[in-house]
Amino acid sequence: GQNIDQPTEMTATEGAIVQINCTYQTSGFNGLFWYQQHAGEAPTFLSYNVLDGLEEKGRFSSFLSRSKGYSYLLLKELQMKDSASYLCAVRPTGVEAGTALIFGKGTTLSVSS
Amino acid sequence: GAVVSQHPSWVICKSGTSVKIECRSLDFQATTMFWYRQFPKQSLMLMATSNEGSKATYEQGVEKDKFLINHASLTLSTLTVTSAHPEDSSFYICSATTSTSGGYEQYFGPGTRLTVT
Repeated sequence: GQNIDQPTEMTATEGAIVQINCTYQTSGFNGLFWYQQHAGEAPTFLSYNVLDGLEEKGRFSSFLSRSKGYSYLLLKELQMKDSASYLCAVRPTGVEAGTALIFGKGTTLSVSS
Repeated sequence: GAVVSQHPSWVICKSGTSVKIECRSLDFQATTMFWYRQFPKQSLMLMATSNEGSKATYEQGVEKDKFLINHASLTLSTLTVTSAHPEDSSFYICSATTSTSGGYEQYFGPGTRLTVT
């Protein structure tokens, strides 16, 4: 079966650093994505990992360990606008355009001042 | 960047009526479009995969006769919710991919909020 786990909720304060973990068990693996979704809006792409290691993109970084079926999203210098749901998604097989993603339930991050 | 639009952004309809939602790729040709449904505080659940010029592939548990998908061109896919019921009330999101992107990124539409009364 396909299973993607991430914490339901997290809280942090402005300026802090937060790490959102994601573990996955899928029939295959061909890439892991992180998306940000504000309430009532569609997800927006944050990062993509297909090889082990850390990908850095400004205040956001994403890490992948394929052997452990594990990823995390690291958010630095938190801002109030970072309050949102963060979705971990796995592409189980293939790189063709017709391959759908499997989404976790999302982690709701609340940033306070 | 690639832009995907959806219309309408929200719709309220009565039980038993049908509602059509459009998904358009504005500045690229989408060989494949996906339709997702999201209930409050839940993740995106894939409903169907739509390829231009062919029948959609539905996920297990999704009624193909209730959720009609048409992908008539490389820039337009439509989802029609037929004989809508209150339990169909949800946030419907489409996404599009194109072969030139290498499949590494899906471009999401802004979503359509459907409320069935």
